[in-house]
Amino acid sequence: EVQLVESGGGLVQPGGSRRLSCAASGYTFSDNWMSWVRQALGKGLEWVATIKPDGSQTFYVDSVKGRFTISRDNAKNSLFLQMNSLRDEDSASYYCVNGMTAGAYWGQGTRVTVSS
Amino acid sequence: QSALTQPPSASGSPGQSVTISCTGSTSDIGNYKYVSWYQQHPGKAPKLILYEVTRRPSGVPDRFSGSKSGTTASLTVSGLQAEDEGDYYCSSYADGTKLLFGGGTKLTVL
Repeated sequence: EVQLVESGGGLVQPGGSRRLSCAASGYTFSDNWMSWVRQALGKGLEWVATIKPDGSQTFYVDSVKGRFTISRDNAKNSLFLQMNSLRDEDSASYYCVNGMTAGAYWGQGTRVTVSS
Repeated sequence: QSALTQPPSASGSPGQSVTISCTGSTSDIGNYKYVSWYQQHPGKAPKLILYEVTRRPSGVPDRFSGSKSGTTASLTVSGLQAEDEGDYYCSSYADGTKLLFGGGTKLTVL
C-alpha cells in the first residue's frame, strides 16, 4: 500500500523558517517525480514545487522562488520542503504528492501557520 | 500565471449528469494533454479521478469522464450519486515547467 506521511508543520513567525518532510513507502520512490501542493484554509489547491526522480531538476511556483527549496533523499525514501522567509500567505496545509501532472497519491497534509 | 477558471458551484439531482468546465489558455490546457481532475471531500486529501484528459485511475467509476476542446477541459459526472458531492479541481501542465490548478467547483447533489 502506498503511503505518504508528512511532518514538520506548526506555528512559525513571519520571516521564520520551517522544514517539512514526507516519508514515502509502498512503491519505488526513486523512480517518481514528487511535488508539494498547498491549500489555505477554505481555499483551493496551489502547486508549490516539483522535483525530478534523481533530484537533478526542481520547479517552483513564482511566489516561493528564492524562499522555498524542494529536495529528496532517495536512500531514505524522503521528500523535503525547506521554507524560509515565511509570509502570512504561506499559511496552508501542505500535501506531499506522488507525481506532478497527475498526483495519484497524496499524504494527509501538514498544516503550517505563519503568525506572530 | 493565473489559475485555471472553474465555476464556483454546480449541482444536479441523483441520476442526472453534470458537467464542470475548466478554462485555461494556449500556454496550458490548449497546449498539453496533461489535464487532471481531483475530487476532494471535506477534511480529506484530494483524490485523482481523471488524468491526461480522459484516463481514469484504477477504481474510479466510468461515470466520471473527461474531454478537452481548445483551451477548455470538462469533467462530466453521469448518474449522479450522493457520494459524488464534494469539491472538484482541474489541473494542467503549463509553460513546460509549472502546474496550474483551477479555483475549484463545489458540486452539490440535490
